[in-house]
Amino acid sequence: NAGVTQTPKFQVLKTGQSMTLQCAQDMNHNSMYWYRQDPGMGLRLIYYSASEGTTDKGEVPNGYNVSRLNKREFSLRLESAAPSQTSVYFCASNDQPQHFGDGTRLSIL
Amino acid sequence: GQQLNQSPQSMFIQEGEDVSMNCTSSSIFNTWLWYKQDPGEGPVLLIALYKAGELTSNGRLTAQFGITRKDSFLNISASIPSDVGIYFCAGREGGATNKLIFGTGTLLAVQP
Repeated sequence: NAGVTQTPKFQVLKTGQSMTLQCAQDMNHNSMYWYRQDPGMGLRLIYYSASEGTTDKGEVPNGYNVSRLNKREFSLRLESAAPSQTSVYFCASNDQPQHFGDGTRLSIL
Repeated sequence: GQQLNQSPQSMFIQEGEDVSMNCTSSSIFNTWLWYKQDPGEGPVLLIALYKAGELTSNGRLTAQFGITRKDSFLNISASIPSDVGIYFCAGREGGATNKLIFGTGTLLAVQP
């Protein structure tokens, strides 16, 4: 999945801790996305950014915030982690079609 | 939230068999995409379809954009062990955002 880099790859948090997931793309894409993937649910859109300086809510935005720092970077923040946010998080970018990072596996105890 | 109905949920087949999976939606899409996800990795695009009725092949994979624009199928011919993974369909809504709606996935297991 060259072009979209996510960090960290794994993280374990305690309930109530905060954390920021980082995503960067080097393909000069305008749009960037954050998804979460849970068993049997496919990928669900958390937030997206259609262009630098804009962000919008997706299907499951509660408990998350995002920042489109510049054209390359789009970060996802959990202010107060909850066990229900245990998931695999994917960042994607595209003009057409979407290219995905390798994911961040996040466990909240 | 809106989701696509993807079937079957899982398939367990012998090497060499052909495979077919499909997605249906209550909404009209202007793009259908098929992705494959290997364990521990992100989804990788297999085939993109942009016009109703379009039939596109990528090696042993063939996908079609349904005439009604509410469905799509993916066929894999002569399956091999490396075809193992989860296959997702995705439909793209119109507009500037390029937002995708994903199916729930089809787990494919291929026995040598």
